[in-house]
Amino acid sequence: TQLLEQSPQFLSIQEGENLTVYCNSSSVFSSLQWYRQEPGEGPVLLVTVVTGGEVKKLKRLTFQFGDARKDSSLHITAAQPGDTGLYLCAGARGSNSGYALNFGKGTSLLVTP
Amino acid sequence: DSGVTQTPKHLITATGQRVTLRCSPRSGDLSVYWYQQSLDQGLQFLIHYYNGEERAKGNILERFSAQQFPDLHSELNLSSLELGDSALYFCASSEGGARRETQYFGPGTRLLVL
Repeated sequence: TQLLEQSPQFLSIQEGENLTVYCNSSSVFSSLQWYRQEPGEGPVLLVTVVTGGEVKKLKRLTFQFGDARKDSSLHITAAQPGDTGLYLCAGARGSNSGYALNFGKGTSLLVTP
Repeated sequence: DSGVTQTPKHLITATGQRVTLRCSPRSGDLSVYWYQQSLDQGLQFLIHYYNGEERAKGNILERFSAQQFPDLHSELNLSSLELGDSALYFCASSEGGARRETQYFGPGTRLLVL
């Protein structure tokens, strides 16, 4: 059972368009992280959101954590070909002595010139 | 470059065999995490080690085992391999092992079981 559901699974858009990717769960997480993974490489952390309702901006990327801390969204403004990649959300569960990151299956984004 | 190294980069083997994947964490990081990434399951947490001790276990099969050595490098052993074990295996490291720490991922080992 996937704790985190991401949508859409695939997204193909043209350069300059805006897009939103969603990450939903029935579970509450103390924090949610967004990663970007390029082919042949490991995921790279983009942002961590901690507080319900929190909004974080990273250049053209805007991340939001739901008020109930069960969902999150990533909005990209004026997408560029360099944004192409697999976007993964991950929630941490466990205690401070050891924990696991639960990942969604990801949204594969293709931005064409 | 995340500072996490994994060897080998690619591995091709046959069913029933045993392989060992190696991970060196970033300098100073005490925690090592192992993940498996497949097309159908996505990225799945396997196990977390902190300073040589197992701290958390995920969906790790009994045929799989891991350890972290005194120099903090870690090895993931996969035995009695099956076709379904073909996947990308990632190692990640973090400074201490707390929930909100950044995990830095290595480039992964691509395992193909024929």
